[in-house]
Amino acid sequence: AQSVTQPDIHITVSEGASLELRCNYSYGATPYLFWYVQSPGQGLQLLLKYFSGDTLVQGIKGFEAEFKRSQSSFNLRKPSVHWSDAAEYFCAVGPYNTDKLIFGTGTRLQVFP
Amino acid sequence: DGGITQSPKYLFRKEGQNVTLSCEQNLNHDAMYWYRQDPGQGLRLIYYSQIVNDFQKGDIAEGYSVSREKKESFPLTVTSAQKNPTAFYLCASSSKGLRGYTFGSGTRLTVV
Repeated sequence: AQSVTQPDIHITVSEGASLELRCNYSYGATPYLFWYVQSPGQGLQLLLKYFSGDTLVQGIKGFEAEFKRSQSSFNLRKPSVHWSDAAEYFCAVGPYNTDKLIFGTGTRLQVFP
Repeated sequence: DGGITQSPKYLFRKEGQNVTLSCEQNLNHDAMYWYRQDPGQGLRLIYYSQIVNDFQKGDIAEGYSVSREKKESFPLTVTSAQKNPTAFYLCASSSKGLRGYTFGSGTRLTVV
């Protein structure tokens, strides 16, 4: 069965530090991959997506993610975190032949000044 | 501007009452979805619809009902059969070919 794992429930970083949020998926073929961000009490906003081609994907707000087929991973990175990046981050996978996304359980990011 | 509108933002319900959450989109998307979000559990799919007048159960459909009479609208009814309805509910839509979802801003339902 398809699944998405975000191993880190909660991450705390200092402002200006680099960030990497982990995402691993289980799927038989190359899926569509997404990262979303959610501020408290709000809906989810798409940060970036990967369908094919270049395995390093650039997104909004200075985020990037790298697809690694050999590791079944799609980790989200940012070189320098800002206090406004504090939020919950969700990784999602979409099998090619359906319209449904499968979401991970999320990683809550806390940023200290 | 195109988007998804969920209303109301906050909703209070007495036990034993049905309540309907509204979701409207003007993106001309074919598919619409309802998710429930609880702390520490991520997003769980309640119902989804890929075309007007058709919908499918998701992972936690018990105690919920939906309709899709118009492409733009996908209301969710939380019935009295739902044992623990207090949660944050998110509506989303997508176009064919899975280019990602667009989400509404959510409705927080509290049973009092």
